Amino acid sequence: DIQMTQSPSTLSASVGDRVTITCRASQNIINLLAWYQQKPGKAPKFLIYKASSLQSGVPSRFSGSGSGTEFTLTISSLQPDDFATYYCQQYFSYPIVFGQGTRLEIK
Amino acid sequence: EVQLLESGGGLVQPGGSLRLSCAASGFTFSSYAMSWVRQAPGKGLEWVSDVGGSGDRTFYAESVKGRFTISRDNSKNTLYLQMNSLRGEDTAVYYCARVFRGLKDGFDIWGQGTVVTVSS
Repeated sequence: DIQMTQSPSTLSASVGDRVTITCRASQNIINLLAWYQQKPGKAPKFLIYKASSLQSGVPSRFSGSGSGTEFTLTISSLQPDDFATYYCQQYFSYPIVFGQGTRLEIK
Repeated sequence: EVQLLESGGGLVQPGGSLRLSCAASGFTFSSYAMSWVRQAPGKGLEWVSDVGGSGDRTFYAESVKGRFTISRDNSKNTLYLQMNSLRGEDTAVYYCARVFRGLKDGFDIWGQGTVVTVSS
């Protein structure tokens, strides 16, 4: 099975900061990676697919990059609504696997 | 409006069974693969199972293989998850989700989740 490892596990930042979350796959997944945002008590929200394609309706301050085994999610200027937990997910092969999550908290 | 609405969760004893349902609306249900994803209390997301649009192809996480069965009724726009031989580690919020495109992809639409608690 492919393992997905996110770093950091927790990230403290301020409104207006630029932040980057990293996701590493244990083997080459080409660009078959998605990113989600989840707030407490809510379902995840689909942000990015194919590593760098922004889902319709997602603000342009979110961006994704990477290929192969290393991927990043960047938020260019943090807004109050962005404080949440973020997950990556590989869909290159079954079983589909999520990263363990990165909690983005207010500094 | 595109919507998924889960039901069927509850408290069940270890070894018991439960069937979850997910009612879809606002899109052509049969054109999309569907999935179940769960989240144990305070934990991350765990993929459980996928089913193709026609219901002929199914995939399972190793942790549920042989105990859970995914199915769908396209005439009723409903996805199901039959859960047997339930264990404490199956306690979680269960989400149904629409697969974005094709069979393997991200999940673009999610339900609100239904809570399953396995405890004596």
